[in-house]
Amino acid sequence: DGGITQSPKYLFRKEGQNVTLSCEQNLNHDAMYWYRQDPGQGLRLIYYSQIVNDFQKGDIAEGYSVSREKKESFPLTVTSAQKNPTAFYLCASSPPRGRSNQPQHFGDGTRLSIL
Amino acid sequence: AQSVTQLGSHVSVSEGALVLLRCNYSSSVPPYLFWYVQYPNQGLQLLLKYTSAATLVKGINGFEAEFKKSETSFHLTKPSAHMSDAAEYFCAVSGQGGATNKLIFGTGTLLAVQP
Repeated sequence: DGGITQSPKYLFRKEGQNVTLSCEQNLNHDAMYWYRQDPGQGLRLIYYSQIVNDFQKGDIAEGYSVSREKKESFPLTVTSAQKNPTAFYLCASSPPRGRSNQPQHFGDGTRLSIL
Repeated sequence: AQSVTQLGSHVSVSEGALVLLRCNYSSSVPPYLFWYVQYPNQGLQLLLKYTSAATLVKGINGFEAEFKKSETSFHLTKPSAHMSDAAEYFCAVSGQGGATNKLIFGTGTLLAVQP
């Protein structure tokens, strides 16, 4: 079955450490997204990519970086510059806008905590 | 610019009672509207979507929502709540004619179902 795989499910970061969250999709979607979820704040967009080798900042990109070298993969790095990284991170994908109204599909998330 | 407001961060109903979760949106262009459900420590699952074909939209698990342009609302309803409906629900908006499928999410409504 097609879907989005996020790994690991739980991740712990030490102070000053960069960590990378993996997101892989086999839905053949062009667009991919990273969201951060905090209690009571809903989902906030970190970065998104509409096509390979291109990505744009979302609303809360500071302290994060991404790459999009392959269509299937959109890894997110939480850098040491992100001072409050504890959150639930969700990856999503969707067909391009031209494929009319298609919703985003989500992975099962990675929960990041600070040691 | 687009935004979504979900009234009531917590809603509690009895099993078998009507479920009503409120969503109001703001959009400068005709919107696409979505409801997603999230179970604990999981990703988001699409319940239903409005894409201008019909104002009353039926989704999975017996949920439906009605698009009311005059009220800028897209409330989610279910005639009879089941214990398995206990979850967090998110309303989201995307603008028609835009270049991407970026979604703006509400802050979510946590639904509790009492036996």
